[in-house]
Amino acid sequence: KNQVEQSPQSLIILEGKNCTLQCNYTVSPFSNLRWYKQDTGRGPVSLTIMTFSENTKSNGRYTATLDADTKQSSLHITASQLSDSASYICVVTGNTGKLIFGQGTTLQVKP
Amino acid sequence: DTEVTQTPKHLVMGMTNKKSLKCEQHMGHRAMYWYKQKAKKPPELMFVYSYEKLSINESVPSRFSPECPNSSLLNLHLHALQPEDSALYLCASSQGPGVPYEQYFGPGTRLTVT
Repeated sequence: KNQVEQSPQSLIILEGKNCTLQCNYTVSPFSNLRWYKQDTGRGPVSLTIMTFSENTKSNGRYTATLDADTKQSSLHITASQLSDSASYICVVTGNTGKLIFGQGTTLQVKP
Repeated sequence: DTEVTQTPKHLVMGMTNKKSLKCEQHMGHRAMYWYKQKAKKPPELMFVYSYEKLSINESVPSRFSPECPNSSLLNLHLHALQPEDSALYLCASSQGPGVPYEQYFGPGTRLTVT
């Protein structure tokens, strides 16, 4: 069964600290993996997208990694800001084009 | 213009009402999507329109009726909804259907059924 699992479910960090979110997937065949940021009550916004051949992609303070062999991805946030408080969703696309969503990690950045 | 817009932002309706949600994009995208998202859950796909034709219906109850009047507009008509249909309804669009095309999401409509 095609699944995407994220950990931790929620995370609280202090402003300025770094954190890493994890995503494991069983989707096969695999086309690409995206990390989305979703503010409460808003639509998801894409942060990074990686295909099979890419193993790292950066977008400002966000850096995503992908290990297609172990089917694992991570999202590293550097020097966190209060505005980083949101849900972060790992989304994997299989060969049908349908998006398979993880349950998300809720990040709270405290001052 | 690189955004997907949705109206209204919030909607409260009774179980006997008929209402519609509207989604619009001017990026020339030919695929449009409706998703339903419950609190603290990921979005669930409801419908996909490809080149203005309904291509996927994820076994959605008939009280939800999608419509694609043209390539820029997508509506979701609501009738006789249940309280459990209360959720955030997200619209998305992509350049085309299928794998290589990224989906861009709108801000959503928060629906409350009383």
